[in-house]
Amino acid sequence: AQSVSQHNHHVILSEAASLELGCNYSYGGTVNLFWYVQYPGQHLQLLLKYFSGDPLVKGIKGFEAEFIKSKFSFNLRKPSVQWSDTAEYFCAVNEPEGTYKYIFGTGTRLKVLA
Amino acid sequence: DAGITQSPRHKVTETGTPVTLRCHQTENHRYMYWYRQDPGHGLRLIHYSYGVKDTDKGEVSDGYSVSRSKTEDFLLTLESATSSQTSVYFCAILGQLNEQYFGPGTRLTVT
Repeated sequence: AQSVSQHNHHVILSEAASLELGCNYSYGGTVNLFWYVQYPGQHLQLLLKYFSGDPLVKGIKGFEAEFIKSKFSFNLRKPSVQWSDTAEYFCAVNEPEGTYKYIFGTGTRLKVLA
Repeated sequence: DAGITQSPRHKVTETGTPVTLRCHQTENHRYMYWYRQDPGHGLRLIHYSYGVKDTDKGEVSDGYSVSRSKTEDFLLTLESATSSQTSVYFCAILGQLNEQYFGPGTRLTVT
């Protein structure tokens, strides 16, 4: 079965600092990868996704992620964070064999200091 | 916003009582999901549905049942609530580009 690891549980940054959040998955076949964001008190919203093609994916609000197949990774990046990026970030990947079941990581809670 | 609503939004119930949570969507999506969100665990899939009367278990299905008699409604039932089922429950649908859209959540407290 697929598994997803997010190694950073809590991250604190100052505004304008660069961000990189790690995400690793276990199954090496065809994968669909996602990053979702959950602002305080809200539901999850899609930031970006990777299905195929260019491994560097750009999403909303200046976020991007890079799919590195050899490392089973899909790390999220942002060159310069803002206070409004304070949120929890979840990586997700599909279960293998073409199912539409998705496994989520445990999340990374980001706090950006103004 | 994919037209997803959840009801109730908040509920407090006692151990041993049955509880049903409702997820309603307005855009005729085939796939619907129930997750629970707990600190340190992220989102965990309880059950999902791939059509009317077609459902399957997720990783934390014990103690939960689901039903989908209409495309637009996906019900999650706790037959006999326990304190370990205190959580925030999110419903989701699968969009046309295979991304998920989530409802606003239901905060359930079992005392």
